[in-house]
Amino acid sequence: KAGVTQTPRYLIKTRGQQVTLSCSPISGHRSVSWYQQTPGQGLQFLFEYFSETQRNKGNFPGRFSGRQFSNSRSEMNVSTLELGDSALYLCASSLRGEMNTEAFFGQGTRLTVV
Amino acid sequence: AQTVTQSQPEMSVQEAETVTLSCTYDTSESDYYLFWYKQPPSRQMILVIRQEAYKQQNATENRFSVNFQKAAKSFSLKISDSQLGDAAMYFCAYRSATDSWGKFQFGAGTQVVVTP
Repeated sequence: KAGVTQTPRYLIKTRGQQVTLSCSPISGHRSVSWYQQTPGQGLQFLFEYFSETQRNKGNFPGRFSGRQFSNSRSEMNVSTLELGDSALYLCASSLRGEMNTEAFFGQGTRLTVV
Repeated sequence: AQTVTQSQPEMSVQEAETVTLSCTYDTSESDYYLFWYKQPPSRQMILVIRQEAYKQQNATENRFSVNFQKAAKSFSLKISDSQLGDAAMYFCAYRSATDSWGKFQFGAGTQVVVTP
């Protein structure tokens, strides 16, 4: 079956703009989490959704937001982009979001802010 | 807050040889999960092996095995009979049993280079 799909794969935006990234989890999976990966800070947790509800949020400014739809697809939005937002954004999905379940990751969206 | 430390930025190994990656973590919790993830150039994180803290037996998955030392808060990964396809960035990750499913604390990663 298809894996976690993230779109687009690459994105170039200008400082001050906003961007929306999409994550389609594996069919049947109801939980999605998002990570930011940068060379300097490594992998940092952004947020987690289960059945359209945000269950957890990392330490990021309010410019970073997300949501999950009834079909479990998730989007994250970054407003007023800064150069430091340039990163690989990864999403992961899980069947039920339980502790003993595996996280399946997508290939990420590479965002470059110029 | 939990922290995960991978002190080896890069490790080199010859094909068919064995390499061990180190990982230490800091936590005050007794129940948690530890993981090793592999990130090849395709960027997709792939689960290599998982260990539940309440299990004393070290996890094994084919050529991959861990040495879990709970008291020492150490979780090393051994790759046996290394193959060219093992070349990737390897991340050690911690997940609290009391926090939510999707929240991992990752280490900085170790780049594994496999030479023929």
